[in-house]
Amino acid sequence: DAGVTQSPTHLIKTRGQQVTLRCSPISGHKSVSWYQQVLGQGPQFIFQYYEKEERGRGNFPDRFSARQFPNYSSELNVNALLLGDSALYLCASSPGGNSNQPQHFGDGTRLSIL
Amino acid sequence: AQSVTQLDSQVPVFEEAPVELRCNYSSSVSVYLFWYVQYPNQGLQLLLKYLSGSTLVESINGFEAEFNKSQTSFHLRKPSVHISDTAEYFCAVSRGSNYKLTFGKGTLLTVNP
Repeated sequence: DAGVTQSPTHLIKTRGQQVTLRCSPISGHKSVSWYQQVLGQGPQFIFQYYEKEERGRGNFPDRFSARQFPNYSSELNVNALLLGDSALYLCASSPGGNSNQPQHFGDGTRLSIL
Repeated sequence: AQSVTQLDSQVPVFEEAPVELRCNYSSSVSVYLFWYVQYPNQGLQLLLKYLSGSTLVESINGFEAEFNKSQTSFHLRKPSVHISDTAEYFCAVSRGSNYKLTFGKGTLLTVNP
């Protein structure tokens, strides 16, 4: 079975631009979470979606937004990019609901801001 | 609020030596605990988890971790490491499998020949 897939794998943008990152969860998983991992740090929680509803939001500015589609895939959007947004963006999926299954991560999208 | 402290940012060891990566957490509620491993230019892979039951949990590649509630710790151990174990290891906590993960800053394990 395919794992969590993310696209693109790498992306270069300039300050002020907008970016959209995409994530396809493991088949059957209904919950998707996004994390930002700055170089040398642990991942920081950005958003969680379950059954297309936002379930949680981390301490990130409103420039960050996300949504989940009926097929449970998800997009993360970042507007007005800053140099500090350079990071590895990780998507994780889990079954959701009452399942005790842990979150499984994709390989991430590496975003570089020039 | 939850937090995770990984006490060592880097741990260098020789091949076949034992290793312990330390993790302490703080939380006002019952928690689930995880260790993830990250190889260069890759995402996170789940190494092992504690949800409930036995406080000693094991992975398929020889790692084990013990949940100690009184010391709020979840240290990762391996009796004999291999070169291929070189990676970044992250301890994480959540209040449920379907809730956000709070990660430590990571420990870079470097296994030298």
